[in-house]
Amino acid sequence: DGGITQSPKYLFRKEGQNVTLSCEQNLNHDAMYWYRQDPGQGLRLIYYSQIVNDFQKGDIAEGYSVSREKKESFPLTVTSAQKNPTAFYLCASSTGTLTYSNQPQHFGDGTRLSIL
Amino acid sequence: EDQVTQSPEALRLQEGESSSLNCSYTVSGLRGLFWYRQDPGKGPEFLFTLYSAGEEKEKERLKATLTKKESFLHITAPKPEDSATYLCAVGSSAGNMLTFGGGTRLMVKP
Repeated sequence: DGGITQSPKYLFRKEGQNVTLSCEQNLNHDAMYWYRQDPGQGLRLIYYSQIVNDFQKGDIAEGYSVSREKKESFPLTVTSAQKNPTAFYLCASSTGTLTYSNQPQHFGDGTRLSIL
Repeated sequence: EDQVTQSPEALRLQEGESSSLNCSYTVSGLRGLFWYRQDPGKGPEFLFTLYSAGEEKEKERLKATLTKKESFLHITAPKPEDSATYLCAVGSSAGNMLTFGGGTRLMVKP
């Protein structure tokens, strides 16, 4: 079955610690995205990548970093600079030719990050 | 700047009581409007894509419609298992990203 796998499902961060969230897809999609979802709020874009070895900042990139070394993988690191990291993190992917804005994004089941 | 507003924020229905969820949007050139269902603790599940005004899509008890300013998700004779948060998103000619609304939390009581 094709899909997006996020791990771990739950993650706890200590003060001053960096943590990395995993996202893997086997849909052969070129574009991948990271969103943050807070209670009662919509999805906010952190970073996105449309091609291997290239990525762009979204609306709330401060305190986060990403890499895209393989088409299938787009890990997100939450650094100690992110002072309010407690949230539900969602990874998505999509396909497209000239544009990605006419194609739906497909999501993983998220990672819930909490502060210890 | 693209904007998406969903209403109401929350909706309580009795089983069998049909209703509609609204998604109002302002975009510079609509490329696609997308509906998702999200269950608690899960990622959004894709439901429909609509591309042009007048288009309609159906799936079981759900029907999505589109005008030049808004989209409706009609729920006919809902069941408790339809309880979820429904998200709307738009893609526009302004860029390659989607803009999401805040969602409508639907609760269907037996």
